[in-house]
Amino acid sequence: DTEVTQTPKHLVMGMTNKKSLKCEQHMGHRAMYWYKQKAKKPPELMFVYSYEKLSINESVPSRFSPECPNSSLLNLHLHALQPEDSALYLCASSSSRGTYEQYFGPGTRLTVT
Amino acid sequence: QKEVEQNSGPLSVPEGAIASLNCTYSDRGSQSFFWYRQYSGKSPELIMSIYSNGDKEDGRFTAQLNKASQYVSLLIRDSQPSDSATYLCAARSGNTPLVFGKGTRLSVIA
Repeated sequence: DTEVTQTPKHLVMGMTNKKSLKCEQHMGHRAMYWYKQKAKKPPELMFVYSYEKLSINESVPSRFSPECPNSSLLNLHLHALQPEDSALYLCASSSSRGTYEQYFGPGTRLTVT
Repeated sequence: QKEVEQNSGPLSVPEGAIASLNCTYSDRGSQSFFWYRQYSGKSPELIMSIYSNGDKEDGRFTAQLNKASQYVSLLIRDSQPSDSATYLCAARSGNTPLVFGKGTRLSVIA
């Protein structure tokens, strides 16, 4: 099974709202990622968690706050977003050794109004 | 600066032909290479991984790696309209984050 799940599929939020994106994997992967993807662009790395600890933050604005409650779950808390934050948000996971194959979830399409 | 370069396309091929997608990478320390297929509005799907020089075949797909030339390619035989998508090449060194190319848009014409 190479499934990464994400909820919700779609999210519309105002600039004053607080919302959360959720991601889950059951492949035993110890590395999990958040990416942002705009139309016709490759995925852009935001955060990396390795063994439940934040290992990379690609200078993401503080209105995005990641959380890794356990080895299977990853959240992205959103607050005071801007319209330019509208994008497809992708979660991914990979093994931390061996093949390093990385699998993406289906994504959350976020629209900020 | 680690970079992965791809021709953005679009690459148009007739149905039944071989589609050839190419990618170069700048980091000689890269050890793992991946091809993802992404349909419009969907997430990237891993279709091939390759780690050593030579060819790796999986069904209609063949990945080729030449580390001396820092070159990776993906061949799709008997291309179908359903293969029309953007193909992302990615490379990584050990457990570092993937470095993605900008993707090549493939259009298979029926």
